[in-house]
Amino acid sequence: DTAVSQTPKYLVTQMGNDKSIKCEQNLGHDTMYWYKQDSKKFLKIMFSYNNKELIINETVPNRFSPKSPDKAHLNLHINSLELGDSAVYFCASSQIRGLEQYFGPGTRLTVT
Amino acid sequence: DAKTTQPPSMDCAEGRAANLPCNHSTISGNEYVYWYRQIHSQGPQYIIHGLKNNETNEMASLIITEDRKSSTLILPHATLRDTAVYYCIVFGSNDYKLSFGAGTTVTVRA
Repeated sequence: DTAVSQTPKYLVTQMGNDKSIKCEQNLGHDTMYWYKQDSKKFLKIMFSYNNKELIINETVPNRFSPKSPDKAHLNLHINSLELGDSAVYFCASSQIRGLEQYFGPGTRLTVT
Repeated sequence: DAKTTQPPSMDCAEGRAANLPCNHSTISGNEYVYWYRQIHSQGPQYIIHGLKNNETNEMASLIITEDRKSSTLILPHATLRDTAVYYCIVFGSNDYKLSFGAGTTVTVRA
């Protein structure tokens, strides 16, 4: 049973396209997150939702829009993709904000 | 804005204990020390956390100094599968986010 799952695992697309990454957790957690890991391997938080409510929105271009249809899902939609958006995106969840986060396997996004 | 300092890399022999140091000299009273690791191409994995007392679970032990300014993660019997980047993170009860630094790249050698 996969605790935190993401689809797709790999995503290759061209500049200017719009794409979505989906995340689902079956742990019954209240809080979900999106992180970005760039080529230098630094992991930075982008967004956090608690009970479908946005609680963290780091300095992320507004081309990135998270959507949480319910507690178990937090999707990431990206408009007008740019080369610099190429990275690995990780979804995570936790029962209580911040603590013991469980991460998904990541989505490697390549923008050409 | 990482609040911790870790050595960039270390090697360990398979079957031996791996001791990973972390300095967090500015830690405040309500902040926990968390450890995560990231095996190549996988998502980060929670290992252990502590506030003041030493902690042990099935994966590792965490030793926190009395002044709480530093800690050591101990992998008691390192295996090749423990090769990963290990992150030491200070996290407060009022925080919402984990701030990952560069971590320590641990290579376990046969």
